[in-house]
Amino acid sequence: AQSVTQPDIHITVSEGASLELRCNYSYGATPYLFWYVQSPGQGLQLLLKYFSGDTLVQGIKGFEAEFKRSQSSFNLRKPSVHWSDAAEYFCAVVTIGSSNTGKLIFGQGTTLQVKP
Amino acid sequence: GAGVSQTPSNKVTEKGKYVELRCDPISGHTALYWYRQSLGQGPEFLIYFQGTGAADDSGLPNDRFFAVRPEGSVSTLKIQRTERGDSAVYLCASSLRGGGNEQFFGPGTRLTVL
Repeated sequence: AQSVTQPDIHITVSEGASLELRCNYSYGATPYLFWYVQSPGQGLQLLLKYFSGDTLVQGIKGFEAEFKRSQSSFNLRKPSVHWSDAAEYFCAVVTIGSSNTGKLIFGQGTTLQVKP
Repeated sequence: GAGVSQTPSNKVTEKGKYVELRCDPISGHTALYWYRQSLGQGPEFLIYFQGTGAADDSGLPNDRFFAVRPEGSVSTLKIQRTERGDSAVYLCASSLRGGGNEQFFGPGTRLTVL
């Protein structure tokens, strides 16, 4: 069965420091991978996605992620974190299925805290 | 343009009661999804509509949960005989089509069953 694992439940970084959030997936075929951010009281917002092609994808708010098939990973990175990046981050994989559902399977999330 | 909207934003009910949660997707989006997010967890898929029909309801936990989308736009998630374990945030998302197209999420409805 498809699954997504985010090993770090909570991460704290200092403002201006670099960030890497880990994501590992289990999926039989080439995955469609996503990173979403959820701020308190707000809906999930898409940061970036990987479908195929270049394994390094750029997203909004200065985020990027690298797809590594050999490691079944899709880690999210940002070179310099801002206080406004404090939020919950979710990695997800899409399963297409016979009905073309496209349902997202999410990891349990990583809470990012930013120290001033 | 308007995003996905959900009403109510909060719903408190008593165990055993019936509740309805509404989702208004982005205009023109044929695909609509419902997810449930329990505290400290990622969202879990409940049901997927393509147009008016429920193309995949494999995530509905039991027959107390039901959803409709009669005109292919607004959807209502219905929960009968609510239980305390149903307390969660219910998220709705829509996309232009199904498959791997980007899903746009609403702010969610926080359901609390006392």
